[in-house]
Amino acid sequence: GIQVEQSPPDLILQEGANSTLRCNFSDSVNNLQWFHQNPWGQLINLFYIPSGTKQNGRLSATTVATERYSLLYISSSQTTDSGVYFCAVEGDYGGSQGNLIFGKGTKLSVKP
Amino acid sequence: DTGVSQDPRHKITKRGQNVTFRCDPISEHNRLYWYRQTLGQGPEFLTYFQNEAQLEKSRLLSDRFSAERPKGSFSTLEIQRTEQGDSAMYLCASSSRDFKETQYFGPGTRLLVL
Repeated sequence: GIQVEQSPPDLILQEGANSTLRCNFSDSVNNLQWFHQNPWGQLINLFYIPSGTKQNGRLSATTVATERYSLLYISSSQTTDSGVYFCAVEGDYGGSQGNLIFGKGTKLSVKP
Repeated sequence: DTGVSQDPRHKITKRGQNVTFRCDPISEHNRLYWYRQTLGQGPEFLTYFQNEAQLEKSRLLSDRFSAERPKGSFSTLEIQRTEQGDSAMYLCASSSRDFKETQYFGPGTRLLVL
């Protein structure tokens, strides 16, 4: 099955710093989503981005489908950005199952 | 649109007991998914429904697990004869008719089996 690798596994930033999170995947995908999991466990949608570039405030994401990676950029980080960031993909199997395959996440800690 | 809701939010049970969780998807979303997440890991797919039909089940879903989605609305996930290894967060998600659309997740049910 498709493999999803995220890096780095852990990241500590000072408030105000910028960061880049990476997601590599092993096969072509129909769907790629970035999530932020808050300390209470809620998965919050950040981007649906199987290809191209999107921006939402201080966050932006780029997926280069042909090279099988996606990047999540966080600018001017805030303490509320802390949590675990997950990349999840849906494999392109023709008759898609719809289920997402998640990476292990990047745990981000933003210090004041 | 009130989002995906799950009930209960927390459940503590003794080994061997049966438990049932409920998920209410976003209204008019025809796809509903169940995932399980253990500490330090990403969520893992369990099963999904399109309307009332259960179309796919992961090998993680042993015969002690059963899921239903009567009338294509809410869904239930039942675990029979719980084991300590079933302790995890159980997450439900839903998406719209177009299978390439975003999956929206509920707050999860955290299960602890003693």
